[in-house]
Amino acid sequence: GENVEQHPSTLSVQEGDSAVIKCTYSDSASNYFPWYKQELGKGPQLIIDIRSNVGEKKDQRIAVTLNKTAKHFSLHITETQPEDSAVYFCAATTNQAGTALIFGKGTTLSVSS
Amino acid sequence: DAGVIQSPRHEVTEMGQEVTLRCKPISGHNSLFWYRQTMMRGLELLIYFNNNVPIDDSGMPEDRFSAKMPNASFSTLKIQPSEPRDSAVYFCASSLARTGDDEQFFGPGTRLTVL
Repeated sequence: GENVEQHPSTLSVQEGDSAVIKCTYSDSASNYFPWYKQELGKGPQLIIDIRSNVGEKKDQRIAVTLNKTAKHFSLHITETQPEDSAVYFCAATTNQAGTALIFGKGTTLSVSS
Repeated sequence: DAGVIQSPRHEVTEMGQEVTLRCKPISGHNSLFWYRQTMMRGLELLIYFNNNVPIDDSGMPEDRFSAKMPNASFSTLKIQPSEPRDSAVYFCASSLARTGDDEQFFGPGTRLTVL
């Protein structure tokens, strides 16, 4: 089955700096890679996703890159703000019926002002 | 829509007691997921349903855990008997798609403490 590894487990940056979180996956059949943000006391919420037919996707200050050959994908947050402080999860799955989303262990991002 | 609704938000019980967690998915969604979150193990999928039918329950820890979805608007996760190691935050999520490659909407979670 799929296995998703996520690094680092914690990340501290200064406001305005960039933050990068990296994930690797094991199942070459995986073709959907979402990123979720979890704020304290809340459930995770999707912030961006990418499918295997594209290599990069951007939405304002966040972007995700995908390298299918190396089986890794990354989340990039530019111009970080204190409200970006949260736990971020990467995940991977296929579009096959019956397959579930497998999450990484999460990265706690702290942005200090 | 109010989003995914879970109840109770907090549950404190004693070892050996039965615990029932409840979830109302977003109307019209076809898939429902139960997750458990702990510091040690992260976010683990316990079971998921598609059109009210359990598709994958391989994440259910043991026979003490059971889940049902009697209709499209309600699901329960039951633990009987509960043990201290079951203490965690349990999330329910739903999605529109019948496959896993679609946005999942998470509820606020139920924080379970078993003494």
